[in-house]
Amino acid sequence: KAGVTQTPRYLIKTRGQQVTLSCSPISGHRSVSWYQQTPGQGLQFLFEYFSETQRNKGNFPGRFSGRQFSNSRSEMNVSTLELGDSALYLCASSPGSGSNSPLHFGNGTRLTVT
Amino acid sequence: KQEVTQIPAALSVPEGENLVLNCSFTDSAIYNLQWFRQDPGKGLTSLLLIQSSQREQTSGRLNASLDKSSGRSTLYIAASQPGDSATYLCAVLLSGTYKYIFGTGTRLKVLA
Repeated sequence: KAGVTQTPRYLIKTRGQQVTLSCSPISGHRSVSWYQQTPGQGLQFLFEYFSETQRNKGNFPGRFSGRQFSNSRSEMNVSTLELGDSALYLCASSPGSGSNSPLHFGNGTRLTVT
Repeated sequence: KQEVTQIPAALSVPEGENLVLNCSFTDSAIYNLQWFRQDPGKGLTSLLLIQSSQREQTSGRLNASLDKSSGRSTLYIAASQPGDSATYLCAVLLSGTYKYIFGTGTRLKVLA
């Protein structure tokens, strides 16, 4: 079974631009969650989707948004990029119907904002 | 507000040693706790998941325990190997949510 796939692996953007990151979950997994990882703040929860519905959102500004498609693939968008948005963005999937399934993470998208 | 702390932040041990990594959390209202490892530049790999009703889980050389009442979990690694070198993170799933709160991690180096 293929793992969680995130594209692209690396991105360099300038302040003020917007960016879209993509995540393809493991086949059959319906829950997709997104996390931001930085050296200073560690891993922080962004949002979680199940069957195209956002079930939880973290404490991030409205510039961070996401969506999930009917095939469970997910995208997250960051508008008006700031230098502080530079981070590793990780996507995780799980079967999703219950909460006692391990999370499976992709290798992340490394975003650098200059 | 749930806070998750991991001690120590870094650990260096010779190969073959048994070791214990610690994770503490402030709110016992959790659904489960997971231990992950992360290799440099990579995503996280789930090692063990302990449901809130369980006390421990084992997988190979790894054993994780959970004491909800005291807000603590430990990850025991037996007979450590250089391939165990990585950052180990614990995360708790808040009850009634799909949101994991992660600890700051323990960076482990096993010396050959």
